[in-house]
Amino acid sequence: KNEVEQSPQNLTAQEGEFITINCSYSVGISALHWLQQHPGGGIVSLFMLSSGKKKHGRLIATINIQEKHSSLHITASHPRDSAVYICAVKRVETSGSRLTFGEGTQLTVNP
Amino acid sequence: DAGVTQSPTHLIKTRGQHVTLRCSPISGHKSVSWYQQVLGQGPQFIFQYYEKEERGRGNFPDRFSARQFPNYSSELNVNALLLGDSALYLCATRESFSSGNTIYFGEGSWLTVV
Repeated sequence: KNEVEQSPQNLTAQEGEFITINCSYSVGISALHWLQQHPGGGIVSLFMLSSGKKKHGRLIATINIQEKHSSLHITASHPRDSAVYICAVKRVETSGSRLTFGEGTQLTVNP
Repeated sequence: DAGVTQSPTHLIKTRGQHVTLRCSPISGHKSVSWYQQVLGQGPQFIFQYYEKEERGRGNFPDRFSARQFPNYSSELNVNALLLGDSALYLCATRESFSSGNTIYFGEGSWLTVV
C-alpha cells in the first residue's frame, strides 16, 4: 500500500462542474502539498498545507490532520484546468524538504 | 526572475552510457532536490543538496550521484544506464533546507534509454 493514495485516478468533467480530488496518507506529516503537472512535465505548486483550509482563485484545499485526509476542490472548472494533480507530503521523520508523492489524478475538463 | 531551469530538456542514450543532467535554481535558493518520475507514477526522491552538501538520499543505486556547486546549481549523474532509467527527471528548489517555504520545480529532463 502506498503511503500517499489519491482518488480518483482519472476524472472527466464538463466545463463549469465542481471537482473534488482526494488524498489520504498513512504517515505522520508536517506539511501536505497540492501540485499541478501539465503534459510537458513541469510541476507547479498550488498549495502547501499543515492545517485547515486555503483558497486561491477557483481552487480550495482542505486538510484534516486527525483523519489523515486532504481534498482539492476546483469550482467552475474550465478546460485549461486539465492536468495531472498530485498530492505530496513531507513526512515528519525525514529531514529537509524530501517529499513523498501520490500517483496523481488525471483531470480532463471538456468544453 | 528566471524560474528553475533544467537541461537538457530531452535526450536519448544507449544502455551502458552515462548521462549528466543539470539544474539551475531560482536566485537565492540554496536547496536543490532531484526526483525521478516514471511514466504514470508519482515522482520518487533521489537526492537533496543544501549548501553543497548531500542532505538526503532516496532508495536509488550507487549508479546515481549528484553534486551542488558554489553557485547552488546542481548536476545529477547516472552511470551504466539501464532501460528502467527512462523517466522524467525533475529538479526542485527552495530557499532553505527546511520545508517551511514554497517549493519550485523545473520543467524536467526527459531521458530515454534505448
